[in-house]
Amino acid sequence: AQSVTQLDSQVPVFEEAPVELRCNYSSSVSVYLFWYVQYPNQGLQLLLKYLSGSTLVESINGFEAEFNKSQTSFHLRKPSVHISDTAEYFCASSGGTSYGKLTFGQGTILTVHP
Amino acid sequence: GAGVSQSPRYKVAKRGQDVALRCDPISGHVSLFWYQQALGQGPEFLTYFQNEAQLDKSGLPSDRFFAERPEGSVSTLKIQRTQQEDSAVYLCASSPGQGARETQYFGPGTRLLVL
Repeated sequence: AQSVTQLDSQVPVFEEAPVELRCNYSSSVSVYLFWYVQYPNQGLQLLLKYLSGSTLVESINGFEAEFNKSQTSFHLRKPSVHISDTAEYFCASSGGTSYGKLTFGQGTILTVHP
Repeated sequence: GAGVSQSPRYKVAKRGQDVALRCDPISGHVSLFWYQQALGQGPEFLTYFQNEAQLDKSGLPSDRFFAERPEGSVSTLKIQRTQQEDSAVYLCASSPGQGARETQYFGPGTRLLVL
């Protein structure tokens, strides 16, 4: 069975500071990893995903995540956050089934302060 | 284009009532998922459809939960004899194909409160 753990439930940070949201996974099979973001009063949106190839994946709004197989991690980073990045972030994995059932972490609320 | 839509957005039910939650996936999407998100938790898988076939219902918490997708497009999640522990946000997601590499597109969710 797959499991995903997000180590921080809340991360407060000041605007323009760097941030890292941590995610660890466990899986006995090949795994695909996703970060979804949920802005206030909106649905989940895909931020970025790792399927294969380069272990560093990037989003269009400056986030990046690195797949680390030896540490079973997929941490999300951004070098300089904006107020608009305030949201809840979910790490998820698939691969345990052929059709892509997602297993989610508990979520991390990122709050960016001015 | 239109995304995944869900209705109603909010539902208040008295304990013991039956409720029906609707999901309109993105047109042409083969796969449809339902997830349940309790307060302060990540979404948890309920059930999966490939077109009209329900291929996995292992996440449904009890036999009070029933889902269907009769024509391979719109899906309905029905909860009979609702209980307080059913209070949660119910999320629907669809993807164009099938497979673990696919991106799932989520609807806004239906927030169910059982009193």
